[in-house]
Amino acid sequence: AQKITQTQPGMFVQEKEAVTLDCTYDTSDPSYGLFWYKQPSSGEMIFLIYQGSYDQQNATEGRYSLNFQKARKSANLVISASQLGDSAMYFCAMRGIIQGAQKLVFGQGTRLTINP
Amino acid sequence: NAGVMQNPRHLVRRRGQEARLRCSPMKGHSHVYWYRQLPEEGLKFMVYLQKENIIDESGMPKERFSAEFPKEGPSILRIQQVVRGDSAAYFCASSPQTGAGTEAFFGQGTRLTVV
Repeated sequence: AQKITQTQPGMFVQEKEAVTLDCTYDTSDPSYGLFWYKQPSSGEMIFLIYQGSYDQQNATEGRYSLNFQKARKSANLVISASQLGDSAMYFCAMRGIIQGAQKLVFGQGTRLTINP
Repeated sequence: NAGVMQNPRHLVRRRGQEARLRCSPMKGHSHVYWYRQLPEEGLKFMVYLQKENIIDESGMPKERFSAEFPKEGPSILRIQQVVRGDSAAYFCASSPQTGAGTEAFFGQGTRLTVV
């Protein structure tokens, strides 16, 4: 079975600092995708970044980057120069190519609070 | 290109009533997924549908819950005889195809409150 673990229930960071949100995963699938979503207080799910298991380079999207360490089965999200608008819940998710290719498996989430 | 549309955004039902949640996928998307989010938790997969077919309903409770995605019209998640424990946010997502690297586009969710 696939599993996502986010060990940080909450994080508090000063504005303009960088922040790393942890995500570890477990799967026996030979190929899989890793996703990060942001959920602000308004409730919608906003896609941030994607990393494929066979991608050679870490994914980047603007201020977001994904620190992918395949041997450690970790896919940490790094937000550079944090902003007040980054305060939200952040979810790590994965999807396998064989096991449950149809569905995303989500972690419990990390609540990020950016302090001015 | 409109995003995934869910309605209603908020739904209040009394115990024992029926709840019907609607989801219109993005144009050109034939794959629809329903997820449930309990307070302070991550999303949990419920069901995956393609037009007129349920592909994977491994996350659906065996009783009272059903889903459909007809040839014409939106996908419907139906909860019969709702109980307080059904109170949650229900998200629909759609994608143009399936696969490990396929992004799922989420709707804004329907927040069901059972009183």
